[in-house]
Order: sequence, then C-alpha cells, then structure tokens
Amino acid sequence: DTGVSQDPRHKITKRGQNVTFRCDPISEHNRLYWYRQTLGQGPEFLTYFQNEAQLEKSRLLSDRFSAERPKGSFSTLEIQRTEQGDSAMYLCASSLTGKGAFFGQGTRLTVV
Amino acid sequence: AQSVTQLDSHVSVSEGTPVLLRCNYSSSYSPSLFWYVQHPNKGLQLLLKYTSAATLVKGINGFEAEFKKSETSFHLTKPSAHMSDAAEYFCVVSDSTGNQFYFGTGTSLTVIP
Repeated sequence: DTGVSQDPRHKITKRGQNVTFRCDPISEHNRLYWYRQTLGQGPEFLTYFQNEAQLEKSRLLSDRFSAERPKGSFSTLEIQRTEQGDSAMYLCASSLTGKGAFFGQGTRLTVV
Repeated sequence: AQSVTQLDSHVSVSEGTPVLLRCNYSSSYSPSLFWYVQHPNKGLQLLLKYTSAATLVKGINGFEAEFKKSETSFHLTKPSAHMSDAAEYFCVVSDSTGNQFYFGTGTSLTVIP
C-alpha cells in the first residue's frame, strides 16, 4: 500500500505523559499536514510542512505540541505533558502542490 | 476568509434512492473544493475535487458534485444509494495557496435497507 500511513493507530496514555506519533506520507508528496478531529467534529488544521520546512501552525498547536519533518520525508508529532483535552484522533495528510490531500487512518489518542 | 457550511448534519435515504448532501462555501477567490468520506474508525478518503476545470465533477463510487458559483454551492449527489455509502461526509475548501484545508462539520449519511 502506498498511501499515507500513521503509527500507532491507537494510544492510551496517562495524563502528564509525553506521546509521539509518526506519519509516513505518500513518497512523492512534498506537503504534509497534521489535523486533529474530536468526536462529532470535522478535522481542524494543526500544522503544515512543505518539504522539511514547517510553514504554518494553528493557534490550536500549543507549546506542548511540536512537529518535525526531518529530511522532508516522515513526520512526527509530539505532545508533552498530555492533558485529557488532548484526547482526539490525530490525522496526517500529504499532497502535491495544488492537489487534494490524502489522509492516513489516524492515531486515536486517549488520555486517562 | 474561506469556510464551508454543510446544511444537514444527518441525512437518511432508502437503499436505491438518490443521495443529496448539501454544501455551501464562502471564499474571496476562486476556490478549490473537495468532498471526503469517513467510514467508522477509518481515515478520510477523497471522493472528488473541483479545481476550476469542469463544473460537474465525477468522483469515485458513483458520486458527483456540481460547482455553482452563483449559488456558492458544491452539493454531492449519487443517483442510487448503496448500503456501503453509510458514512460521514465532509465538504472541504482550501485556501488560495492550497496550504490549508477547511472542513465542514460533516453530514452523517444513513442508508435504510
């Protein structure tokens, strides 16, 4: 399968712990996005990379959140000192400039 | 600023009858518009996209959408619903740079056997 893959699919963590998610985009795609989706809502934009450069960050991305895309390939999203409000589905997407984005299946985070 | 409004949070149709999911957009420029489908516990799948070419866009699984600038609409249709179409559908607009995608709140489609 050459789609966007995310790992892990599910993560349960205790409040205050750090978590890291990984996204592998479609190989030729230069853009990579992170979105967050809570129950009953549409996905909300978190951040976006063009190649290895992080070009935009949403106000939703507090200082506990950090995303990287070293070498312009895979990306990681880290959440430090998790809070219950961080519980959500975290979606990664990739695209070629000007084309529609292709989404991964997401990582469901539950903070207990 | 750009945004989309999905006019119905829930739509129920009988199997074999037409589907209409409504979406209105707001954009200060010629927009790019998309429809995505999300099945339970699955990721988002791109159904179709409009990027200023033909106003009637055909997508996967028999879905199509028509861009109507005068009505600022991009409604999703399918002539005959199938049980497997039951899912959440999102209308999406991108910004002028294509850097961000703005999602509607979604329409949950139920197909009644």
